[in-house]
Amino acid sequence: AQSVTQPDIHITVSEGASLELRCNYSYGATPYLFWYVQSPGQGLQLLLKYFSGDTLVQGIKGFEAEFKRSQSSFNLRKPSVHWSDAAEYFCAVGASLSGNTGKLIFGQGTTLQVKP
Amino acid sequence: NAGVMQNPRHLVRRRGQEARLRCSPMKGHSHVYWYRQLPEEGLKFMVYLQKENIIDESGMPKERFSAEFPKEGPSILRIQQVVRGDSAAYFCASSPPGLRQETQYFGPGTRLLVL
Repeated sequence: AQSVTQPDIHITVSEGASLELRCNYSYGATPYLFWYVQSPGQGLQLLLKYFSGDTLVQGIKGFEAEFKRSQSSFNLRKPSVHWSDAAEYFCAVGASLSGNTGKLIFGQGTTLQVKP
Repeated sequence: NAGVMQNPRHLVRRRGQEARLRCSPMKGHSHVYWYRQLPEEGLKFMVYLQKENIIDESGMPKERFSAEFPKEGPSILRIQQVVRGDSAAYFCASSPPGLRQETQYFGPGTRLLVL
């Protein structure tokens, strides 16, 4: 069965420091991979996505992620974190249904705190 | 282009009442997905609909929950005889038609509280 694991429930980094949020997936075929961000009381905003092609994808707000098939990972990175990046981050895999992304399977989420 | 709209944003129900959650997809989108987020958890898929069709309801509880996406009007997630365990945030997402890789865009959610 498809699954997504985000090993880190909470991460705290200092403003200006680099960030890496981990995501591992289990899926039999080529996955569609996503990172979403959720601020408190809000909906989910798409940061970036991987469907195929270049394994390093760029997203909004200075985020990037790298797909590593050999490690079944899709880690999210940012070189310098801003206080406004404090939020909850979700990794998701699209369970393909006849080419459409179908349902998304989400990880448990990682809460990011940013220290001044 | 307006985003995915959901209403109400907050809903309070007493045990045994019915809850109706509405979702209007983005313009031009004909695929709708419902997800539930329990406190301190990630989102869990419930159902995937296209106009007048349920495509995948593998995440829907077997009883009390139903969903529809009529030819005209919003998609509705209905919960009958609500219980306290139904308290959660319910998110709707939509994507364009066609058999292509498409991104799902999420609405702001409806936060249901069952007293």
